[in-house]
Amino acid sequence: DQQVKQNSPSLSVQEGRISILNCDYTNSMFDYFLWYKKYPAEGPTFLISISSIKDKNEDGRFTVFLNKSAKHLSLHIVPSQPGDSAVYFCAASVGTASKLTFGTGTRLQVTL
Amino acid sequence: DAGITQSPRHKVTETGTPVTLRCHQTENHRYMYWYRQDPGHGLRLIHYSYGVKDTDKGEVSDGYSVSRSKTEDFLLTLESATSSQTSVYFCAISRTSGVGDTQYFGPGTRLTVL
Repeated sequence: DQQVKQNSPSLSVQEGRISILNCDYTNSMFDYFLWYKKYPAEGPTFLISISSIKDKNEDGRFTVFLNKSAKHLSLHIVPSQPGDSAVYFCAASVGTASKLTFGTGTRLQVTL
Repeated sequence: DAGITQSPRHKVTETGTPVTLRCHQTENHRYMYWYRQDPGHGLRLIHYSYGVKDTDKGEVSDGYSVSRSKTEDFLLTLESATSSQTSVYFCAISRTSGVGDTQYFGPGTRLTVL
């Protein structure tokens, strides 16, 4: 049972445009959500997180939106840059100091 | 940089042999985790530790054991490796930030079981 789902395996976006990566979850107990970026042959790198008490969190070019009623979160990258090309994982947990459940990842390619 | 190193970075072994992967951290974090990454599955938690000698199972713990005798080291052991354990293994620590505790990952170990 996949509790965290990323239904788009891949996404291609032009440089300078907005990238929107989506994530759905089924466990209503999840209250902490994170996005990680992963380059080949490296470990996942933390990007941004959001607690369920908020519906938006912003950090530079990255914004995460949380829609609790729809059990949906999204990561917006504006403007997209070629260096953003990577696999993006969303993750969720019950409480912040807890085990993470990951989605299967979305491969983002930013083209020139 | 979360000060995490993993060793070895690459290993090829044969079915039935024991294998131990090491995770070392330099920042004295209490929580440490082992995940495996496989195509179509994302990252899945194997075991985690919440202190020296305190460990618990994760989602995919069968065939794995862990030990933590010192705060800085968390070992993952495959007692008798199988081909299904061919994977990339990541260690993580949990660090407190503004929003809450966030996990930071090491560079990974690529294990191939022939």
